[in-house]
Amino acid sequence: GNSVTQMEGPVTLSEEAFLTINCTYTATGYPSLFWYVQYPGEGLQLLLKATKADDKGSNKGFEATYRKETTSFHLEKGSVQVSDSAVYFCALSKGRSGSGGGADGLTFGKGTHLIIQP
Amino acid sequence: NAGVTQTPKFRILKIGQSMTLQCAQDMNHNYMYWYRQDPGMGLKLIYYSVGAGITDKGEVPNGYNVSRSTTEDFPLRLELAAPSQTSVYFCASRAGQPFQPQHFGDGTRLSIL
Repeated sequence: GNSVTQMEGPVTLSEEAFLTINCTYTATGYPSLFWYVQYPGEGLQLLLKATKADDKGSNKGFEATYRKETTSFHLEKGSVQVSDSAVYFCALSKGRSGSGGGADGLTFGKGTHLIIQP
Repeated sequence: NAGVTQTPKFRILKIGQSMTLQCAQDMNHNYMYWYRQDPGMGLKLIYYSVGAGITDKGEVPNGYNVSRSTTEDFPLRLELAAPSQTSVYFCASRAGQPFQPQHFGDGTRLSIL
């Protein structure tokens, strides 16, 4: 079945440091890949997505590239801020299953808690 | 911009009680989902629906029921609450076009004592 593995947290960095959160996946077919962010007490918000191999998703300074050869979708940011402190989830949806790309829900990693210190 | 609205935000139940978690979306999305989030874990899919009158089981459906009588609403029912159902529950929706992201509500924190 489908699965997502992401690095364990918490990850603690100083402000302006470079961020990488690793994510690898196992899936049949052609999944779409997502990064979601969850701030304390809130629901998940879409951060970025990629729908095919070599696509790069980007938003708010974060980037991730869909690497089919290594089945990875690592999240990066060049200079983190205190406001980036949150839990980050990597997720995939089944692709092109005939019902339009993942009607049957997302498969999530366990989440990575990111703490940015001033 | 309401998006996906979940009620209540918090609830404490006794073992054996029943309750319904409400979810409504105003984006005219066909697809809706219920997930549970346990500490240190990602979200697990409970049930989903691809349109009014159509529902299907996800990864962890035991102990729950759903219905979808309208496009907007997708309630989740717990019939006999058990301590193992203590969790944070999230409802999500998405458009039916391929590769669209899911939009999440703020969650319902449920404790079974």
